[in-house]
Amino acid sequence: SQKIEQNSEALNIQEGKTATLTCNYTNYSPAYLQWYRQDPGRGPVFLLLIRENEKEKRKERLKVTFDTTLKQSLFHITASQPADSATYLCALDSSGGYQKVTFGIGTKLQVIP
Amino acid sequence: EAQVTQNPRYLITVTGKKLTVTCSQNMNHEYMSWYRQDPGLGLRQIYYSMNVEVTDKGDVPEGYKVSRKEKRNFPLILESPSPNQTSLYFCASSARVSPRTGNTIYFGEGSWLTVV
Repeated sequence: SQKIEQNSEALNIQEGKTATLTCNYTNYSPAYLQWYRQDPGRGPVFLLLIRENEKEKRKERLKVTFDTTLKQSLFHITASQPADSATYLCALDSSGGYQKVTFGIGTKLQVIP
Repeated sequence: EAQVTQNPRYLITVTGKKLTVTCSQNMNHEYMSWYRQDPGLGLRQIYYSMNVEVTDKGDVPEGYKVSRKEKRNFPLILESPSPNQTSLYFCASSARVSPRTGNTIYFGEGSWLTVV
């Protein structure tokens, strides 16, 4: 069956360092991979999308890589700040023409001042 | 402002008492969905709709109903709520899939539902 794995344990990182979050998947051939940010008790907010034929995508301090051979995406936040503390969700989109996006469980990031 | 609005935000109800959670979006999106989020299980899709009068089951549809009579509204109905439906619910919408945007999803703020 299809499976998405994100580190379920929280990631603690010192302010100013680069945070790297991992998303692995099996039995899936996504056309797109997305990352969302979710604050406690709030709805997820879209951050970045990367297509299957792209290796890397950047947006300000954020960088996403997508390796379809390894079936893995890495999400980097450079120069991390306490305001970056949140849960980050990986989402796989097969884009079969309907709204079927599957979400990972998320990784909680805590940036320590 | 682009928004997905759901109500109520917080609700405590009793087993068996029918309830409806409303959802409305102002982005003219074709696709709408309902998710529930539970600790350790993440977001799971309950139902989705590709357009008016077109709905289909997601991964966990049991105990829920939906309808899509207008493009902007997609209410979630719990005909006979049970305690295992206690959860955080999210309504979401997205535009038709395109090569540029994929299925970028916009979420509402969530509805905390407790069934006692």
